[in-house]
Amino acid sequence: QVHLVESGGGVAPPGGSLTLSCTASGFIFSTYAMHWVRQPPGKGLEWVSVILYDASKIFYTDAVKGRFTMSRDVSKETIYLQMDSLSPDDTAVYFCARATSSSPRYLDYWGQGTPVTVSS
Amino acid sequence: DIQMTQSPSFVSASVGDRVTITCQASQGIGSWLAWYQQKPGKAPFLLIYLTSNLQSGVPARFSGSGSGTQFTLTISSLQPEDSAKYFCQQAHSFPYTFGQGTQLEIK
Repeated sequence: QVHLVESGGGVAPPGGSLTLSCTASGFIFSTYAMHWVRQPPGKGLEWVSVILYDASKIFYTDAVKGRFTMSRDVSKETIYLQMDSLSPDDTAVYFCARATSSSPRYLDYWGQGTPVTVSS
Repeated sequence: DIQMTQSPSFVSASVGDRVTITCQASQGIGSWLAWYQQKPGKAPFLLIYLTSNLQSGVPARFSGSGSGTQFTLTISSLQPEDSAKYFCQQAHSFPYTFGQGTQLEIK
């Protein structure tokens, strides 16, 4: 059974940093691309980043380029999102999600999310 | 970035009704489109990918169609458990983008 568990969310000041983790189980982690998606309070979904199965490529949305870094550790079956230079606009619930086996473009299993609040 | 616009933003319908939600892309995206369902306090759930492919386990009353810039999600016979917010997502090019969502209420 596929299971994704996010952690690391919390409160950070503007300009601060947080690192999110997402630990996977129930599937062969090393063969799937993984995504981060965020959802500001009461708003819609915003795609954040994707890392291919072998970490050969990582893509980000423009709003986080240069500030966020996505990575993966196969041995720990975990992906990370290092978030630096945080701004109040980064306040959201952050979901990790697995890409489908047929294409890295679609997200078939999601974690429950971890909330991030950027506030002084 | 490709903008995705959904309509309507809110729809109220009765059990058994046929409901259609539309998603328009600001430029052509071929068939690279997915639909997700999200219930309050829960993570989104993949319903349809590549415009019309039903994800495993999704009831057959859900269907998708379209190509280019115009896409639709249809629920053929609405059930009480379909009350949720629905999002489209373009997967044609980075950054992937979602529509703003359509809230579906059961009367």
